[in-house]
Amino acid sequence: GEDVEQSLFLSVREGDSSVINCTYTDSSSTYLYWYKQEPGAGLQLLTYIFSNMDMKQDQRLTVLLNKKDKHLSLRIADTQTGDSAIYFCAEGGYNKLIFGAGTRLAVHP
Amino acid sequence: DTEVTQTPKHLVMGMTNKKSLKCEQHMGHRAMYWYKQKAKKPPELMFVYSYEKLSINESVPSRFSPECPNSSLLNLHLHALQPEDSALYLCASSQGPSGQETQYFGPGTRLLVL
Repeated sequence: GEDVEQSLFLSVREGDSSVINCTYTDSSSTYLYWYKQEPGAGLQLLTYIFSNMDMKQDQRLTVLLNKKDKHLSLRIADTQTGDSAIYFCAEGGYNKLIFGAGTRLAVHP
Repeated sequence: DTEVTQTPKHLVMGMTNKKSLKCEQHMGHRAMYWYKQKAKKPPELMFVYSYEKLSINESVPSRFSPECPNSSLLNLHLHALQPEDSALYLCASSQGPSGQETQYFGPGTRLLVL
């Protein structure tokens, strides 16, 4: 069946890099997504990667995809306090997104 | 512009009330979605409209009634809700044709049922 797994919590120091990991099961997914959710807010699309790519970089964000191991990661360079949020990994199914449980990122001085 | 708007932002209702949530997008998207999100959980899909027709109902109780009056608008009518229906209700939209396009979310309506 479809399943997406993420670690639940990550704590980093301000200025360091954060790496959030995700594993998925459906190899037919065309796109894989990272969404950010701040407290009390909706989901903000951060970035996505097409399934035939290995890497995508967008300013401070780097997404790595290992299709063989069905592993996706999001690296945030120079992490700031404004990056504190929950980060959801999601795989794109037909007319639906399958979300992981979300990783809470805490940034401390 | 990738904006999806939702009103109201907050809603408190009693179990006998009837209320509606509204979602709007002007990106020309032809698929629209309702999700329910409980605290500390990921969003759960409720309904999908594709080209203004209901295409997916994830076995949602009939006290939730979706409506898509036109390609830009999506409503969720609420009647006789239970306290366990209290949650953040998120609307999303995507371009639509293949069913695999990127979904853009609104800010949500936070619903409290007393």
